[in-house]
Amino acid sequence: QSALTQPASVSGSPGQSITISCTGTSSDIGGYNHVSWYQQHPGKAPKLMIFDVSDRPSGVPDRFSGSKSGSTASLTISGLQAEDEADYYCSSYTSRKTLLFGGGTKLTVL
Amino acid sequence: EVQLEESGGGLVQPGGSLRLSCAASGFTFSIYWMHWVRQAPGKGLEWVSRVKNDESEITYADSVKGRFTISRDNAKNTLFLQMNSLRAEDMAVYYCARGVGGSRNLDAWGQGTTVTVSS
Repeated sequence: QSALTQPASVSGSPGQSITISCTGTSSDIGGYNHVSWYQQHPGKAPKLMIFDVSDRPSGVPDRFSGSKSGSTASLTISGLQAEDEADYYCSSYTSRKTLLFGGGTKLTVL
Repeated sequence: EVQLEESGGGLVQPGGSLRLSCAASGFTFSIYWMHWVRQAPGKGLEWVSRVKNDESEITYADSVKGRFTISRDNAKNTLFLQMNSLRAEDMAVYYCARGVGGSRNLDAWGQGTTVTVSS
């Protein structure tokens, strides 16, 4: 299975909003409402930021939000802060009962 | 506090074997799905395998099917990954992670253990 498609990089200034897209197929994103987003700082383990398309685990700021349309999911970060600079990965459950990650997006806060 | 601690990584020759362990604490290990995810140097995350709480359901990525075996010991709160016929492309940091929401989201991760495959 090919990885979900994410832009390699996005950037924004503090206070601005950015959106990261994640495109799959009807066998993954399009077929299930089980899209997750993970944040990973250099040298650290990933951290769950969004699950089941748009739900936030406790402790994750409400500046982080998720959505889905068809086979494309999106992560939006509003009120960008310096500590948001990290790599972001989307993930989806698939029809083969596996998980599939996106290639990752490097977020730069200018 | 939920904690996951991987161990067992190291240097192995191509074609060799390695067994990774993940010690869990701070939660009831026996009721959760558990996963292995890896990350090659400078690359993205790749899902490897998952196991249901009672081992009644196990799934693998195509890239490791037939070579890797996931298992668990609920009495010892430990997850395992037996890796055989290792290849250069298996070189990565291996993370264990806890599955929630029907095992489709990974809400707790260990710090990872590094596997190096080289002659």
